[in-house]
Amino acid sequence: EDQVTQSPEALRLQEGESSSLNCSYTVSGLRGLFWYRQDPGKGPEFLFTLYSAGEEKEKERLKATLTKKESFLHITAPKPEDSATYLCAVPHGTDKLIFGTGTRLQVFP
Amino acid sequence: DAGITQSPRHKVTETGTPVTLRCHQTENHRYMYWYRQDPGHGLRLIHYSYGVKDTDKGEVSDGYSVSRSKTEDFLLTLESATSSQTSVYFCASGSLGEQFFGPGTRLTVL
Repeated sequence: EDQVTQSPEALRLQEGESSSLNCSYTVSGLRGLFWYRQDPGKGPEFLFTLYSAGEEKEKERLKATLTKKESFLHITAPKPEDSATYLCAVPHGTDKLIFGTGTRLQVFP
Repeated sequence: DAGITQSPRHKVTETGTPVTLRCHQTENHRYMYWYRQDPGHGLRLIHYSYGVKDTDKGEVSDGYSVSRSKTEDFLLTLESATSSQTSVYFCASGSLGEQFFGPGTRLTVL
């Protein structure tokens, strides 16, 4: 059964304290892994697509990487405005995504 | 912004009442999706549409129906609302991986 697991559930960081979020998956024939950011009271916002092991994508303080079993979202020198829930998702079949339950990140000044 | 709106944004209703949630997108996306988001479960797909009048079930479709009569509009109907359908509902449109989400509808069924 296709599954996506994210860890940790919650992460509290001091401003400037770098860390990583994990997304592990069990799917047959990965056809992409997607990262989203969700602010409280809002819908998720697309961040990155990764298609193959070894691929990396960057956006400001965020860098997403992909291996054959998991993806990491590295946050370098985070700021309070990076506080959000980060979701990862993988395709299930040709038309649907399976989302993880997310990591809630809080960055304190 | 992809230009996707949902209405209403908040609704309180009683058990057994029919409820319709509306989603409107201005990007001419072929695919549209309805999700519900609950603590501990994350986003779960209810139904999706791959074109006008073309819809299919997601993982939590029981108790829900959908209709898509125009490219830009996707309706979600709860025929007879139950307390277990209290949730935040999100609509999305776009390609499989890059979906644009609406602001959500918070539905409370008493």
